[in-house]
Amino acid sequence: QVQLVQSGAEVKKPGSSVKVSCRSSGGTFGSYSINWVRQAPGQGLEWMGGIIPFFGSANYAQSFQGRVTITTDESTTTAYMDLSSLRSDDTAMYYCARAGLAAAGTRPAFDIWGRGTMVTVSS
Amino acid sequence: QSALTQPASVSGSPGQSITISCTGTSSDVGAYNYVSWYQQHPGKAPKLMIYDVSNRPSGVSGVSNRFSGSKSGNTASLTISGLQAEDEADYYCSSYTSSSTYVFGTGTKVTVL
Repeated sequence: QVQLVQSGAEVKKPGSSVKVSCRSSGGTFGSYSINWVRQAPGQGLEWMGGIIPFFGSANYAQSFQGRVTITTDESTTTAYMDLSSLRSDDTAMYYCARAGLAAAGTRPAFDIWGRGTMVTVSS
Repeated sequence: QSALTQPASVSGSPGQSITISCTGTSSDVGAYNYVSWYQQHPGKAPKLMIYDVSNRPSGVSGVSNRFSGSKSGNTASLTISGLQAEDEADYYCSSYTSSSTYVFGTGTKVTVL
């Protein structure tokens, strides 16, 4: 059974960067994308971007373009989300989630989620 | 990309049926049959309940045939029949888009009276 294991909570200063990791415990990423979804306290879910490890190509939500970078390390089956120029409103729970690829015959829905990484931005 | 529109709250008594709507555009909900629904209890990660508009994932605890999905045009819907206390949670729809991105709904709080 594949599980996504995320790194621990972070506290950052405004203007700095944070890098959150997400390791797949079940082997390779296969025909799936790894996505990052954030949830500010008391708010809804927001898709930030995703990457198809097989191709190494990432796609980002317009609202995060230029501030977020998503990468993977296939040797350790780990995905990373790097968010720069942090602001207080970036304080949120950050989830990684696996989604299939329609072209590969796997469902493009978020079927496996990590437990989340709390990032707090405070001076 | 704007969030999909969901009602802020829906409530029902045990045993009743409720329906949550999810309205988007021809670039997301109306573009493909790739609408999914998620249940989120407080302090927990979201859980996939419905994928590809109306399919339930197999072998997933808590996903029963009381949950069903449908779509018409740019609006998708989630129906929970035989409402139970454990169904009280937040529910989010999501859609794959024509830009190869994803968008979530605004979220609906379901209360069991």
